[in-house]
Amino acid sequence: EPEVTQTPSHQVTQMGQEVILRCVPISNHLYFYWYRQILGQKVEFLVSFYNNEISEKSEIFDDQFSVERPDGSNFTLKIRSTKLEDSAMYFCASRETGQVYKNIQYFGAGTRLSVL
Amino acid sequence: GENVEQHPSTLSVQEGDSAVIKCTYSDSASNYFPWYKQELGKRPQLIIDIRSNVGEKKDQRIAVTLNKTAKHFSLHITETQPEDSAVYFCAASKAAGNKLTFGGGTRVLVKP
Repeated sequence: EPEVTQTPSHQVTQMGQEVILRCVPISNHLYFYWYRQILGQKVEFLVSFYNNEISEKSEIFDDQFSVERPDGSNFTLKIRSTKLEDSAMYFCASRETGQVYKNIQYFGAGTRLSVL
Repeated sequence: GENVEQHPSTLSVQEGDSAVIKCTYSDSASNYFPWYKQELGKRPQLIIDIRSNVGEKKDQRIAVTLNKTAKHFSLHITETQPEDSAVYFCAASKAAGNKLTFGGGTRVLVKP
């Protein structure tokens, strides 16, 4: 069964450094999402992306965050200058396009980001 | 915006017993309610979903009920097995493709 793949599984970085989290969505999917889960808290929506542009973003997704689809397979989340509070599990998800009411979101296994 | 509350946060059941997890949502415009199961170290996987035009949906040992008037929906697992042990998340959305708002999760432990 096709899966959403995320790399790395764990990323450790120093505060103020830039990080790029990578995702390979399912190959025929065209809608992409990033969510995050701070330890002990709910999974929160960050951003959705379709047709090479952001469809929707939350208030969490400020100027420190950006997303990109650099080629036909990867979908990346960049945090420009990491803060301690960015430490969380980051989930990528993807879905097919077409009939919105019939397409579900498939999740990757997540990247745990630790900011020291 | 939408807010989803999930209870209980932990649930311990004896193998063979039933487990029930309840969620409430705040936005009456939400019309899609998926449930995800996440085993330790693995990806969240959709186990069942329901849309607001349906009151109940069943898939083998798993069922979901939806009460639109009260804005709550529940997951029912019957004849629980040890492999049902996982964290279960409910979510709400205005459509299957739109952003999901998640509940806080329920850690289910099925004791053999």
